Amino acid sequence: GAGVSQSPSNKVTEKGKDVELRCDPISGHTALYWYRQSLGQGLEFLIYFQGNSAPDKSGLPSDRFSAERTGGSVSTLTIQRTQQEDSAVYLCASSKESTSRVNEQFFGPGTRLTVL
Amino acid sequence: GQQVMQIPQYQHVQEGEDFTTYCNSSTTLSNIQWYKQRPGGHPVFLIQLVKSGEVKKQKRLTFQFGEAKKNSSLHITATQTTDVGTYFCAGLPGSNYQLIWGAGTKLIIKP
Repeated sequence: GAGVSQSPSNKVTEKGKDVELRCDPISGHTALYWYRQSLGQGLEFLIYFQGNSAPDKSGLPSDRFSAERTGGSVSTLTIQRTQQEDSAVYLCASSKESTSRVNEQFFGPGTRLTVL
Repeated sequence: GQQVMQIPQYQHVQEGEDFTTYCNSSTTLSNIQWYKQRPGGHPVFLIQLVKSGEVKKQKRLTFQFGEAKKNSSLHITATQTTDVGTYFCAGLPGSNYQLIWGAGTKLIIKP
């Protein structure tokens, strides 16, 4: 079965441009997470989706960041007016969560974003 | 806010030596998960611990969950080059859905 996929794998953009990152979770996984990981650092939580709704957006660094999920499947993370400090690897993970227990998160390969 | 502290940040070992990483939570956890991230890769789930005092083994890896469900450890016996990477713990506080991640411990094998 297919795992979590993300596109593009690499994105180089100029400061001030908008970028859109895509995540395709494992089929049937209701929960979807976005994280950011700077070089050599840990995971920074950005946003969580349960189905199409995002009960927790607390990790989004600024109002330049937004995310949506449609059809309970694909999610896009949009960064507007990119800044150099946005450069990082953006990881998406999905999980077959239920209300009774939380299952493991399956990560995609990430999108490496470089803002020049 | 809720935090999971993980130490050490780095551990350099000779191949064949043991390795241990520790996680401590500021709050009681429902469960704790462990992940491994190889250099250049993404985190991969290793195990989940749920019960107080639980100990689980995977070959040379031993995972423990403290009696108070606030701390956990991962011990690797006789490290091998394939163990190189960063090990993350991630705890679930109470009935919250959001995992709280430790900062990771990087295992480095000395040449």
